[in-house]
Amino acid sequence: DAKTTQPPSMDCAEGRAANLPCNHSTISGNEYVYWYRQIHSQGPQYIIHGLKNNETNEMASLIITEDRKSSTLILPHATLRDTAVYYCIAFYGKLTFGQGTILTVHP
Amino acid sequence: DAGITQSPRHKVTETGTPVTLRCHQTENHRYMYWYRQDPGHGLRLIHYSYGVKDTDKGEVSDGYSVSRSKTEDFLLTLESATSSQTSVYFCAIVTSDSYEQYFGPGTRLTVT
Repeated sequence: DAKTTQPPSMDCAEGRAANLPCNHSTISGNEYVYWYRQIHSQGPQYIIHGLKNNETNEMASLIITEDRKSSTLILPHATLRDTAVYYCIAFYGKLTFGQGTILTVHP
Repeated sequence: DAGITQSPRHKVTETGTPVTLRCHQTENHRYMYWYRQDPGHGLRLIHYSYGVKDTDKGEVSDGYSVSRSKTEDFLLTLESATSSQTSVYFCAIVTSDSYEQYFGPGTRLTVT
């Protein structure tokens, strides 16, 4: 499995877009990029995933670079409830989490 | 939540006793996972399964075994519980059609 690297923490103002980067330079061709978040002690919540193309759903957008070595999760209008730990994972079969990014959304 | 349940939700047990945690899903998904989460360590993969009777080790598999005799159930067993296995245990599945992933509510295990 490819190793992913994320900044340990980020801040964002409420109502602004939160852009969370992830580096996965060793990703293989069949590994998907997945994003999750975890709030307090709840189980991780699936957000979005993609292979090559950019993806968008009701929660977020995922931008994957053409060489697939990095990606960005975009929360278009962050709210206080988006404060959480966000995990970026390269997945094919075996799902291993890194340390994630603590996103703090402030008023 | 993709129909994932975990049982028990809370358990306190003594060192040296066997413990089995159950993960149950209702939608016949192929991939299932067991994680533990501890302060300062994030989520660590214990074991995973890619089908009935097909399992493999994760990064922290020592002291744990798993079984999957039916698609819907993935069991995690601590043969002889130790205090270092006090943790919150999460089960997860990957959906077979869209490859979305969902986690169960977690089991809080305390080994005294």
